[in-house]
Amino acid sequence: SQTIHQWPATLVQPVGSPLSLECTVEGTSNPNLYWYRQAAGRGLQLLFYSVGIGQISSEVPQNLSASRPQDRQFILSSKKLLLSDSGFYLCAWSRTPLSNEKLFFGSGTQLSVL
Amino acid sequence: KQEVTQIPAALSVPEGENLVLNCSFTDSAIYNLQWFRQDPGKGLTSLLLIQSSQREQTSGRLNASLDKSSGRSTLYIAASQPGDSATYLCAVTGFQKLVFGTGTRLLVSP
Repeated sequence: SQTIHQWPATLVQPVGSPLSLECTVEGTSNPNLYWYRQAAGRGLQLLFYSVGIGQISSEVPQNLSASRPQDRQFILSSKKLLLSDSGFYLCAWSRTPLSNEKLFFGSGTQLSVL
Repeated sequence: KQEVTQIPAALSVPEGENLVLNCSFTDSAIYNLQWFRQDPGKGLTSLLLIQSSQREQTSGRLNASLDKSSGRSTLYIAASQPGDSATYLCAVTGFQKLVFGTGTRLLVSP
């Protein structure tokens, strides 16, 4: 069976510090991978998605970046965090093509930037 | 640009009631629509997926319908239970990505 791992579960970082959140998927190959952010009282915002190694599509201009160094690994990074980066970050995966498939989410990372 | 709206934003009902959650979307060119459940501080769990060619899907006490031409979907929960308390989100699938609504926060009281 397929599983998705996301860590850490919670993170408190000072403004201006770097960020690295990691997500891995097991039990499948060549998944579509996604990073979403859920700010307090707001819906899920798609940040990045990837359909293959090294292929990253950015949905929202910001100081975050994503990388996919391996088939089942997706990393969300920032060089310098802003207060507005606080939120609940969710990694997700789907089989391809997405048009026929469900989306499966990790357990999320609660990021607080102080 | 696809926009997804969910009404109501919050709903409180006594245990045992049947209830309906609503979802509307602006662009009918979708591949499918999914309903998710999210417990506080947790990730999302997929409940039902309706392909664009389908009218409804059922899973246990849940029934989701889709009217693509009018841009609407409903999630029907029969005989609600306190364990159903959570936030329910709908999402429509376009090319390679989903667009989510803001959710309906449901509280079922014993």
